[in-house]
Amino acid sequence: TQLLEQSPQFLSIQEGENLTVYCNSSSVFSSLQWYRQEPGEGPVLLVTVVTGGEVKKLKRLTFQFGDARKDSSLHITAAQPGDTGLYLCAVLNTGGFKTIFGAGTRLFVKA
Amino acid sequence: DARVTQTPRHKVTEMGQEVTMRCQPILGHNTVFWYRQTMMQGLELLAYFRNRAPLDDSGMPKDRFSAEMPDATLATLKIQPSEPRDSAVYFCASGSGTGGNQETQYFGPGTRLLVL
Repeated sequence: TQLLEQSPQFLSIQEGENLTVYCNSSSVFSSLQWYRQEPGEGPVLLVTVVTGGEVKKLKRLTFQFGDARKDSSLHITAAQPGDTGLYLCAVLNTGGFKTIFGAGTRLFVKA
Repeated sequence: DARVTQTPRHKVTEMGQEVTMRCQPILGHNTVFWYRQTMMQGLELLAYFRNRAPLDDSGMPKDRFSAEMPDATLATLKIQPSEPRDSAVYFCASGSGTGGNQETQYFGPGTRLLVL
C-alpha cells in the first residue's frame, strides 16, 4: 500500500483547460511538498505547505493542504503546454528525515 | 546558477559489470540523497548523507550497491555486479539541511542506466 495516493495517474488535456490533481493519504503530515518533473530532468520543488487548510498560489497553480493535513490538491488554471510533466507530492516519513514520494500524476497539455 | 551535476548522463552496460555514478552536490549543501526512479516503483530513496556521513541506506540492496562521499564535493553510487533489474534513472539531490520541517531538495538531471 502506497503511503501517498496520487490521482489521476495520467491526464491529457487541451491548452486553456483547468485541472486538479490530488494527493491523498490516511496519515497526518507536518508538511507536504509538490514537485514537477519535466521529461529528461530531475524533479523541481514547486511548493511546501505546512498548515492545515493552507492555500498557496504560484502564478496559475494553486496548492491546498487539507484541513486535517492528510491530503493536498494542485489546481492549474488555463493549462499551457509548458505545464506538461510529472507532478509528484512528497512527505517526510515518521522518523522525519526520509522523503517519501507519491507515484505522480503525468500531465500532458496539448497545444 | 548553482546546480547538482551527475555523470554519466547515460550508461549502457552488460550484466555483471561494475557501474559507478557520480554526483557533485551544490556547493555548501550538507545533505545528499540518492534516488532510483522506475515506471513501476516511482521515485525511491536509496541513500541519504548528512555532512558526508551515511544516515540511511535502508533502501539500497546491500549486497551489490554502495554509496560513499569521498569529500564534500563528490558522492558516488556503485553497483557491482549490475543486473538487468537495476535499469532505471538514478538521481542525486542535495539540500542545505536547514529547511526545518521539510527541506528543499535540488535534483540533478539523473543517470539513465540500462543493464543488458
